[in-house]
Amino acid sequence: GAGVSQSPSNKVTEKGKDVELRCDPISGHTALYWYRQSLGQGLEFLIYFQGNSAPDKSGLPSDRFSAERTGGSVSTLTIQRTQQEDSAVYLCASSLGGGDEKLFFGSGTQLSVL
Amino acid sequence: GEDVEQSLFLSVREGDSSVINCTYTDSSSTYLYWYKQEPGAGLQLLTYIFSNMDMKQDQRLTVLLNKKDKHLSLRIADTQTGDSAIYFCAESPYSSASKIIFGSGTRLSIRP
Repeated sequence: GAGVSQSPSNKVTEKGKDVELRCDPISGHTALYWYRQSLGQGLEFLIYFQGNSAPDKSGLPSDRFSAERTGGSVSTLTIQRTQQEDSAVYLCASSLGGGDEKLFFGSGTQLSVL
Repeated sequence: GEDVEQSLFLSVREGDSSVINCTYTDSSSTYLYWYKQEPGAGLQLLTYIFSNMDMKQDQRLTVLLNKKDKHLSLRIADTQTGDSAIYFCAESPYSSASKIIFGSGTRLSIRP
């Protein structure tokens, strides 16, 4: 596609429910990143994919968070048993990979946990 | 460890120059970046500089890098209302090329 697409753009959920956030990277981009942006904070790195594998999962906050990428394209970030502190904007970015680290970001998913 | 720091706010009069500063800790960083985030949008890459450069100019934007002090700055000449946004500094540490480390962002506001 023309840019990185994320869905949904907004998600309101109840504490304890599971949520899935989707990211469609730019076609041909092999690297995909998930970041979290809390109100007034910078970007917190969550996970990075090169192709379908995730060499760097160091940023996942807890075992309630998981992510997968299939076909070297679409990625899903899943948060199980959501907590109020999970409320944030979840940003996805992609890049060509292979050392080219210029990231192209989607508009994010605003997650609100009530 | 890896860390990027920026001041949170900057207010500038329209037409003046804006200078946004950033400090980083990883001396092995290969690339340093400036991203812009407008309200309700994702981040957009503005410009970047390779670590073996000390200056890069792109139209109204000038990036200065002081490797000795690990200090990066972004100068926006003739600041316009459309420049109102949050500006993020980011580094790509050599030790982990996969993980781009971002600062907390500087909110630039323009006054008439």
